[in-house]
Amino acid sequence: NAGVTQTPKFQVLKTGQSMTLQCAQDMNHEYMSWYRQDPGMGLRLIHYSVGAGITDQGEVPNGYNVSRSTTEDFPLRLLSAAPSQTSVYFCASSYPRGGRDEQFFGPGTRLTVL
Amino acid sequence: EDQVTQSPEALRLQEGESSSLNCSYTVSGLRGLFWYRQDPGKGPEFLFTLYSAGEEKEKERLKATLTKKESFLHITAPKPEDSATYLCAVQAVRDDKIIFGKGTRLHILP
Repeated sequence: NAGVTQTPKFQVLKTGQSMTLQCAQDMNHEYMSWYRQDPGMGLRLIHYSVGAGITDQGEVPNGYNVSRSTTEDFPLRLLSAAPSQTSVYFCASSYPRGGRDEQFFGPGTRLTVL
Repeated sequence: EDQVTQSPEALRLQEGESSSLNCSYTVSGLRGLFWYRQDPGKGPEFLFTLYSAGEEKEKERLKATLTKKESFLHITAPKPEDSATYLCAVQAVRDDKIIFGKGTRLHILP
């Protein structure tokens, strides 16, 4: 198993550009989530999904969109990048639904918005 | 609103000097409390899940305990390789959100 994979590892955007951060898992996990991590702020939940076709907002959803068309993939879209979105983004997955079991985290995507 | 507060923000210990990290939480109906370890430049790594007050779990030099208001991560005779950021998170019964605290940066000096 590859576990949770994230692409790209690094990305630099200009203000106003859009992009999609990719997240995939091969463990048949129902629960997937996106977090951002900023210095001194811990992990903040952006969006999460309890299964294919179901998504919900977390603590800091503004400026981000998600969809969950398959169990394996959970992409995060930045609609119009802003410098405040400069951060490290982590995707995580767990099973069963509800995330009671341990979450497996990806290696992260380091995003810089100029 | 669910909240997780971790203290201290940072802790420096000598090798072998035992201590505890605190995680205070406010949640309406706790489904689970999680502890993770995070090394620089990497994603968090799962340590424990605690579900009810009075529960305890151990792994090597780490022991996690849970009350109705807080959790402690006890580190016994730590080694330099225990240096990391330790994160606490909670999940409420009413929804599936998992909310994290800001973490405690632990540095063990040889």
